Order: sequence, then C-alpha cells, then structure tokens
Amino acid sequence: NAGVMQNPRHLVRRRGQEARLRCSPMKGHSHVYWYRQLPEEGLKFMVYLQKENIIDESGMPKERFSAEFPKEGPSILRIQQVVRGDSAAYFCASSYVQDSFYEQYFGPGTRLTVT
Amino acid sequence: LAKTTQPISMDSYEGQEVNITCSHNNIATNDYITWYQQFPSQGPRFIIQGYKTKVTNEVASLFIPADRKSSTLSLPRVSLSDTAVYYCLVGLNRDDKIIFGKGTRLHILP
Repeated sequence: NAGVMQNPRHLVRRRGQEARLRCSPMKGHSHVYWYRQLPEEGLKFMVYLQKENIIDESGMPKERFSAEFPKEGPSILRIQQVVRGDSAAYFCASSYVQDSFYEQYFGPGTRLTVT
Repeated sequence: LAKTTQPISMDSYEGQEVNITCSHNNIATNDYITWYQQFPSQGPRFIIQGYKTKVTNEVASLFIPADRKSSTLSLPRVSLSDTAVYYCLVGLNRDDKIIFGKGTRLHILP
C-alpha cells in the first residue's frame, strides 16, 4: 500500500509564475489536508478537502491560493503569481477515520523556491 | 483545540531514555493526545496516541496522569536516528485540522 504521494518534490518558480502542487492520498483515504512549513517553524494548516468539497479553508490566504480534490485524480494546490514569501515546504496529508482513533498520514512534501 | 507547551529543544545521548513532557492545561474531556515525529526534509509521522494512563507501542510510550493536564512521551534507548522534531497535539477528532506548534527539537549525541 503506497503512502501519500506528492509531486514534484522540488519546484522552482520565478516571481509571477504559477505553482501547481499535486497530492495523491493513500488508497482508501478520502480526506486530504494541505500544510505549509517555513524553515525552523511548525506546520501551518491551510485547507481540508474531501472529494469534490472544500471542508475548511480557514488557513488559506484569500488571494492567489486555491485547492481542489476532484472525484478522479490527485488533489491540487495552486498558487498563482508566486512571490518570494511563498517559498516553503508544502505537505499534504490524508486520513482514514476510525471511531476512536485518528491519524493523518503525511507525504514527503514539495519544496517550492521562488526566485 | 487545546494549547500545548513543550520544551523547544533537548539533547541526549545514544542509549539513554528520553522523556519529553507536554503541558495542556485546557484539555477537554473528549480530547485525545497525539505525538508526531518529523525528520529533516520529511513530512511528520504519527508516533502514538492516547487518552489516559499509559499507551505503549513498538516506538514509544505515552504516560498521561489522571488529571490529563500533561503528557510525557518516552523514547527508550535512543539512537542517532531519533534526532528529529517531536510535536505534541491535543484535541484531534474526526475532521479536525492539526494545529502544530514548533515542537521539541531532540538532538541525540554519540
């Protein structure tokens, strides 16, 4: 059973370009979460999605950022017109919820560098 | 979600037992306590979760006193590969987002 897959692992974009990050959850998982991590910082929640629905986007910047999790295919985090401050590691997690036990499985992350 | 407080960093030596304590004074009745581990350049990895008393798995033990206002992650006989950041999280329920603090940077010395 493959883990959470993210691609690309490293992405370099010039200011003003678009960045598109992909996340394939673990097989059987229908919950996807995106987090951003700056150097030496903890992870910050961005958005929580289920298939074709955004459940919680309270951590997502209001402009330039969007996320989707279509019925078929991976979840996509899109950053338009990137700026240097968007440089960070972006992690995706997926979950399988049982009654009394809760765990999120994280992918290896995408490291975005904006030049 | 309950706020957590844990040491910013800790050093220890190979072969020793390491205990990392987390304070969560405002823990709610239904809250679980969860610990994640993150190695450099990797995503966090679930270590252990508990509600009360003691939980043990192949990686660690989690001790939770009766009042549940704190918890202690215990790593037996650490090795260099246990060098990582350890996050204490409280209040994970179905559909909850995870609120990560800065965690505890554990550095194991030879």
